[in-house]
Amino acid sequence: DAGITQSPRHKVTETGTPVTLRCHQTENHRYMYWYRQDPGHGLRLIHYSYGVKDTDKGEVSDGYSVSRSKTEDFLLTLESATSSQTSVYFCAISESRDRAFFGQGTRLTVV
Amino acid sequence: SQQGEEDPQALSIQEGENATMNCSYKTSINNLQWYRQNSGRGLVHLILIRSNEREKHSGRLRVTLDTSKKSSSLLITASRAADTASYFCATDEGSNYKLTFGKGTLLTVNP
Repeated sequence: DAGITQSPRHKVTETGTPVTLRCHQTENHRYMYWYRQDPGHGLRLIHYSYGVKDTDKGEVSDGYSVSRSKTEDFLLTLESATSSQTSVYFCAISESRDRAFFGQGTRLTVV
Repeated sequence: SQQGEEDPQALSIQEGENATMNCSYKTSINNLQWYRQNSGRGLVHLILIRSNEREKHSGRLRVTLDTSKKSSSLLITASRAADTASYFCATDEGSNYKLTFGKGTLLTVNP
């Protein structure tokens, strides 16, 4: 399995608080992604990175920001969490563009 | 809106039968991939088909791609109970490898 770790794995937070999710890889892969998964919506791309400090928006980027200051870490920040951001968040990495490897997911609940 | 859309949303079959899932997408792609997700887990890559390919096989998997119709199909032959999972297509757009997924097909294989 690809060396990809998401932290935390579970988090409950209050509305209005900032939250940062971390994706850490040991594979030195160039591409990194953040998705959210909700019933009926499949996986939706939030933000992605194609290199250190190179990021771009996905289809549901409002309310989220990302940073990638080094190859191995891709951080997803919810500046002010809302209940609509309750979801399961997946990080993925890729190097060859032939396949992506996924983390185990972070279950975030905003109350 | 999401790039890929799988059809059907859910499929229930008996062991030994074949399962066919379809994916339609909207824009030009570099390649198309299929992934599998067991309940509560991260996605796992199954197979890739490039935009200049029409058909590809891997074990019990057969994938077709019709770029003129912007559609792909995944056939699983001689299904097993262990094939029960959600299946997603993913498309790769642009030079920065924007990887987007559809809503998925939930396959249930009954013993």
